[in-house]
Amino acid sequence: GENVEQHPSTLSVQEGDSAVIKCTYSDSASNYFPWYKQELGKRPQLIIDIRSNVGEKKDQRIAVTLNKTAKHFSLHITETQPEDSAVYFCAAIPNYGGSQGNLIFGKGTKLSVKP
Amino acid sequence: NAGVMQNPRHLVRRRGQEARLRCSPMKGHSHVYWYRQLPEEGLKFMVYLQKENIIDESGMPKERFSAEFPKEGPSILRIQQVVRGDSAAYFCASSPGLFRPVETQYFGPGTRLLVL
Repeated sequence: GENVEQHPSTLSVQEGDSAVIKCTYSDSASNYFPWYKQELGKRPQLIIDIRSNVGEKKDQRIAVTLNKTAKHFSLHITETQPEDSAVYFCAAIPNYGGSQGNLIFGKGTKLSVKP
Repeated sequence: NAGVMQNPRHLVRRRGQEARLRCSPMKGHSHVYWYRQLPEEGLKFMVYLQKENIIDESGMPKERFSAEFPKEGPSILRIQQVVRGDSAAYFCASSPGLFRPVETQYFGPGTRLLVL
């Protein structure tokens, strides 16, 4: 089945710097890749997603890139701010028999932005 | 525009008791997903339901766990005879059910279950 690996597990940056989080997936048929931000004790919140017919997507300071050949996708946050501090999860929806849309998550990256 | 609602937010049970977790999807959404999150870990899929139908329960333990999404009312995740290892945050997500299998899922605030 689908397996999603996420790196790094922790990331510390200075305010204003960029942060990059990378994920790889195993099922070449996967075609939807969302990113969620989870603050301590809160719900996961969708921050950006990308579908397999697109290579890059941007939303203000956040961008996601997808390389289908290499089966990896990355989250880029520019001009980081202290409020960006949270755990970020990547996910994929596999597309094989029996799976009907459930998300397979990476283990998360704890991002700390130091003022 | 109410989002996904879950209750209770916190639930304490003693070993052997039953836990019932409720999820009301966003307005207009007919598909519900349940995920479990252990401390310091990612979310693991448990079960996927639409009204009156379980679509995929491959992530849910066969023993003690059950889920339903009736025609009227919230989706319920039921854990019988809870054990300490069931302590976790249980999140529900919903999606419209129009563009399966690729749809955005929106999460509720979670129920934090503590088994003493």
